[in-house]
Amino acid sequence: DAGVIQSPRHEVTEMGQEVTLRCKPISGHNSLFWYRQTMMRGLELLIYFNNNVPIDDSGMPEDRFSAKMPNASFSTLKIQPSEPRDSAVYFCASSPGGGNIQYFGAGTRLSVL
Amino acid sequence: RKEVEQDPGPFNVPEGATVAFNCTYSNSASQSFFWYRQDCRKEPKLLMSVYSSGNEDGRFTAQLNRASQYISLLIRDSKLSDSATYLCVPRGGGATNKLIFGTGTLLAVQP
Repeated sequence: DAGVIQSPRHEVTEMGQEVTLRCKPISGHNSLFWYRQTMMRGLELLIYFNNNVPIDDSGMPEDRFSAKMPNASFSTLKIQPSEPRDSAVYFCASSPGGGNIQYFGAGTRLSVL
Repeated sequence: RKEVEQDPGPFNVPEGATVAFNCTYSNSASQSFFWYRQDCRKEPKLLMSVYSSGNEDGRFTAQLNRASQYISLLIRDSKLSDSATYLCVPRGGGATNKLIFGTGTLLAVQP
């Protein structure tokens, strides 16, 4: 299996622009997680889905962030409008069940200027 | 109080040394515990689970002390390839049934 696939790997954008991050989980995994990692705050869970349904979005910073999972093989995380403080590495992870063992994608490094 | 506390390091050790990392967690309802490893500019990867009785995987030994809410990781005979950040990860118990990642401890093994 190719593992969790994220795109793009790097994104540089200007403040106010819309940013869309994409994730393809490992086939057969029924849980998907979006994380954000910064030096100051470490790895923070933003939202997770179970069987394509959002279960816990309490980590989503504010209304500018939204996530969707239209089917079992695709998810997006959107930031609109983006701000410089959103600059971070965004990871997507999937899990075959329960979420104990999570497999991470390579991440998207986002820079908002 | 942070949910997971780790010494950020760095721990600079020579090859062949034994090194130990500690971690404390605040949620007494946590039932599952893990160590993840993250190489520089890479994604986190599961290193090992931590069982109540303690467990060993080759050169790595993990211990759990529920009474003190404390987890440890011991690495024996350190290799250059062990250089990475080690993340302590309890699974939140009760209403918070998700992995809580510590900010990690940086290990640098020197030749």
